Amino acid sequence: DSGVTQTPKHLITATGQRVTLRCSPRSGDLSVYWYQQSLDQGLQFLIQYYNGEERAKGNILERFSAQQFPDLHSELNLSSLELGDSALYFCASSGRGPSSPKQFFGPGTRLTVL
Amino acid sequence: GQQLNQSPQSMFIQEGEDVSMNCTSSSIFNTWLWYKQDPGEGPVLLIALYKAGELTSNGRLTAQFGITRKDSFLNISASIPSDVGIYFCAGQGSGGGSNYKLTFGKGTLLTVNP
Repeated sequence: DSGVTQTPKHLITATGQRVTLRCSPRSGDLSVYWYQQSLDQGLQFLIQYYNGEERAKGNILERFSAQQFPDLHSELNLSSLELGDSALYFCASSGRGPSSPKQFFGPGTRLTVL
Repeated sequence: GQQLNQSPQSMFIQEGEDVSMNCTSSSIFNTWLWYKQDPGEGPVLLIALYKAGELTSNGRLTAQFGITRKDSFLNISASIPSDVGIYFCAGQGSGGGSNYKLTFGKGTLLTVNP
């Protein structure tokens, strides 16, 4: 158990809908990262938040957004969903520094868009 | 952008055999990490490497940070059935902003025949 929690475990929705994925980092970790994992693209970095502020952006679509709240939990919002958004979404957290490399992953949310 | 080539893509071995896999990068990394992912689970951190030439072990696993800082290797000795899974390398750059993000290889799928 990495100490990172994610909810829900599974999500099934329809095209055009909007969903919110939630992540709670390990106790004491200030950075939260979001990744998308699909069969053909592997693990793709989406976005990083550090202590409530956006820190780095990766291949995140404009239809996707995220935020980190004062209690350090984070939410990833996916809107206008398309079939191609079906994937595993992982949250990871790391220690006190914004560039701490050791990231600990949650169990993931499997999103299926029908 | 930074790309990681991980090889082999898959391996099928007999229990007790040793395993080697590697990652090469088109650019220099300051940190290399190795993760293992079981089906339906999040990646689990195995080993972190911080210095060129560093050799680090974690039980039957040994990883090395290449001298050129553009590659890393993971060896598993005396494989057992629970070693089955996907092994990912990841590198972290040195610059600010998005350069601190982890770039992941596409993974090596390891199957161990009892």
